[in-house]
Amino acid sequence: EAGVAQSPRYKIIEKRQSVAFWCNPISGHATLYWYQQILGQGPKLLIQFQNNGVVDDSQLPKDRFSAERLKGVDSTLKIQPAKLEDSAVYLCASSLVASGATSYNEQFFGPGTRLTVL
Amino acid sequence: QKEVEQNSGPLSVPEGAIASLNCTYSDRGSQSFFWYRQYSGKSPELIMSIYSNGDKEDGRFTAQLNKASQYVSLLIRDSQPSDSATYLCAVNLRNQGGKLIFGQGTELSVKP
Repeated sequence: EAGVAQSPRYKIIEKRQSVAFWCNPISGHATLYWYQQILGQGPKLLIQFQNNGVVDDSQLPKDRFSAERLKGVDSTLKIQPAKLEDSAVYLCASSLVASGATSYNEQFFGPGTRLTVL
Repeated sequence: QKEVEQNSGPLSVPEGAIASLNCTYSDRGSQSFFWYRQYSGKSPELIMSIYSNGDKEDGRFTAQLNKASQYVSLLIRDSQPSDSATYLCAVNLRNQGGKLIFGQGTELSVKP
């Protein structure tokens, strides 16, 4: 079974530029997550989709970050304009369901995109 | 108080010893608990999930959950140098959908 795919793996941009990341979840997984991981910290949820609807975007900086999941499969996360503090690894994860005391809510991560903002 | 707390380490154990990693969480209603392993420069890899009080064993790994004490731990038996990584504790809080709250991670170093 193929895992979560992400691209690009690395991106270097200058501040105030824009950047976009792509994610393809595990086949059949309805729930997709974007996390931001700053060096030395645990991942922090930016946005959660259930199929193509947003479940939680409470920690997404909406003045500069946007995300979409058209057709309930692939997703893109965009930053415009980027700031120095956006330098981080952006992780996409997916799960069969969103929650519950069941293995169906186990989240599996893609390889991530390492973003450097100069 | 942080929602999920871990000792940042580093925790150093000799090869063949038992490594014990600990995690506490603040929301008593949390229902799902996960341990991820993250090698340097790589993404988190799920190694254990636990949902009810007690122990859950998988190979050399044992997860222990005590909801009354709001405590979850991971034991690694017969530690190997290849176990050297950062271990992330993640908790699915009550009424938060699928959102996971991660601790900052504990760095484990297994010395040959």
